[in-house]
Amino acid sequence: EAQVTQNPRYLITVTGKKLTVTCSQNMNHEYMSWYRQDPGLGLRQIYYSMNVEVTDKGDVPEGYKVSRKEKRNFPLILESPSPNQTSLYFCASSDGLAGGPSITGELFFGEGSRLTVL
Amino acid sequence: AQSVTQPDIHITVSEGASLELRCNYSYGATPYLFWYVQSPGQGLQLLLKYFSGDTLVQGIKGFEAEFKRSQSSFNLRKPSVHWSDAAEYFCAVLGGSEKLVFGKGTKLTVNP
Repeated sequence: EAQVTQNPRYLITVTGKKLTVTCSQNMNHEYMSWYRQDPGLGLRQIYYSMNVEVTDKGDVPEGYKVSRKEKRNFPLILESPSPNQTSLYFCASSDGLAGGPSITGELFFGEGSRLTVL
Repeated sequence: AQSVTQPDIHITVSEGASLELRCNYSYGATPYLFWYVQSPGQGLQLLLKYFSGDTLVQGIKGFEAEFKRSQSSFNLRKPSVHWSDAAEYFCAVLGGSEKLVFGKGTKLTVNP
């Protein structure tokens, strides 16, 4: 089954304690992205990656790091979490958002990771 | 940079009634446009997309959307809403780079 898997799904942590949210996709997609969702703000992109070893900042990258060492994995790292990073996080992947007829343009989303930073 | 506006934060309709969710975008050239749906506790799922060609696009679950360049709009429609359509709906625009920008969403409530 084609899927994007995020872990953990729920996490409560304290300020300053480093954490990693993992994301893995089994569709051989080149494009992967992280979003955070906050009430009234919709989805905002944190980082994205167009291929292995290629990452770029989205709209709200401050306080986050990512890496893309393998095609299937795209972990999100919070080196020193703060309460304003309390949010619902989504990882997504795609075979490409635009391009030729073989590109679906569809983003496949994980089920989300709800993070609370105390 | 591209942007998306969904003017309605919350819409309530009766089951069986027609539905139209509004989306306006800002982008200099012809954009790629998408509608996604998020059911409670779930990730987002693609409903439909517009890349080029016919400006009326059909999607899953009986939804359709019409691209109107003159109005910079991509409104989502459904002729008869079902209770299972209650969800949050997001319009998104892709312009230029591989960066998808989402609107803030419209929450749909369906009354029996």
